[in-house]
Amino acid sequence: DVKVTQSSRYLVKRTGEKVFLECVQDMDHENMFWYRQDPGLGLRLIYFSYDVKMKEKGDIPEGYSVSREKKERFSLILESASTNQTSMYLCASSQGQGNGYTFGSGTRLTVV
Amino acid sequence: GQSLEQPSEVTAVEGAIVQINCTYQTSGFYGLSWYQQHDGGAPTFLSYNGLDGLEETGRFSSFLSRSDSYGYLLLQELQMKDSASYFCAVILFNDMRFGAGTRLTVKP
Repeated sequence: DVKVTQSSRYLVKRTGEKVFLECVQDMDHENMFWYRQDPGLGLRLIYFSYDVKMKEKGDIPEGYSVSREKKERFSLILESASTNQTSMYLCASSQGQGNGYTFGSGTRLTVV
Repeated sequence: GQSLEQPSEVTAVEGAIVQINCTYQTSGFYGLSWYQQHDGGAPTFLSYNGLDGLEETGRFSSFLSRSDSYGYLLLQELQMKDSASYFCAVILFNDMRFGAGTRLTVKP
């Protein structure tokens, strides 16, 4: 089974801090994604990557950046955390269209 | 851009059949997927429709009509464990966009 591992389940950070959320997948998938999930809004795509060092903006990239230096690792960076970035962050990976995405367990980030 | 609409909540009784509809507006559409998410859990893949018609996987079936920009998830013989949120998602060239989700509550 594909495993997508997110480094932290819960995280509390202060406003203005630089925050790194790490995601690692173990099945050599080409595509990796970062979503945030908020009640009533579903999952919204922040960034995705279809190859090493490649990145594409999703629907809500403002305030975020990403890094993909190795195929298995996709990092989400909050340059200067703000309270409106308090959310559940979900990483996913996939191989091609039509194949299901495999999600990590999520990181619940609270910015205070 | 993309937009997907699905009902926010559905309630049904154990053993019944329930249908969750999804309408979408998008460009570059490749297919429609459905995901299930239990409280506190990660979304898990249920089905994918790349072509029009019905796909069946056990108690769950999913349907797509490209001409109507419409799909649905059909859950049969409902069980208590089916209480969860269900998301439709449009598959684009390199990524996927989700609807806001439907909260299904199964009652005894």
